[in-house]
Amino acid sequence: EIVLTQSPGTLSLSPGERATLSCRASQSVSSGYLAWYHHKPGQAPRLLIYGASSRATGIPDRFSGSGSGTDFTLTISRLDPEDFAVYYCQQYGSSLWTFGQGTKVEIK
Amino acid sequence: QVQLQESGPGLVKPSETLSLTCVVSAYSISSGYYWGWIRQPPGKGLEWIGSIYHSGSTYFNPSLKSRVTISVDTSKNQFSLKLSSVTAADTAVYYCARHHSNPYYFDYWGQGILVTVSS
Repeated sequence: EIVLTQSPGTLSLSPGERATLSCRASQSVSSGYLAWYHHKPGQAPRLLIYGASSRATGIPDRFSGSGSGTDFTLTISRLDPEDFAVYYCQQYGSSLWTFGQGTKVEIK
Repeated sequence: QVQLQESGPGLVKPSETLSLTCVVSAYSISSGYYWGWIRQPPGKGLEWIGSIYHSGSTYFNPSLKSRVTISVDTSKNQFSLKLSSVTAADTAVYYCARHHSNPYYFDYWGQGILVTVSS
């Protein structure tokens, strides 16, 4: 099973600042198998990035994904109030989907 | 816009079977894609439970496989989850979602339903 470790656990930032979130895999992950989600309590998770770097439909260009192999990054260039949430990375491999434990982006 | 909505009992007794249904609107399950169940225990991360194709083909998380059944009813445009012999550890918000294969991602999710296992 590929384990995804996200860091930091919590990121305290102000609106307008840049956020950089990390997702590290215990084994190499094909880029096509890595995605990122935004999640607020009581809401459905929202797909942000798929294929490691492709933005999903309707996602603003302040969100970008990068990385390959075992190290992937989600960058939010300028935080909007609606961006304060928990972010999860996800991978698929060997017929098993796994998620990271999440990074909470909170208002400083 | 594709929409998914989970339904089922919010409270299940230990050792009993948890049963949930996900109704899909604005998209016919028969048209394709896989349909999955994911859960989130309180204070924890997301865990994939299993998925089903419209043809009925399934695959499951090995950690839950022995207790999970997922079925699809294309006539009602819905799919269902059964989790047997539940314990308090199965208390979670349960989500249904549609997923793509290659690239692999979940694009549409339900709002989630909290299921508590307690006597």
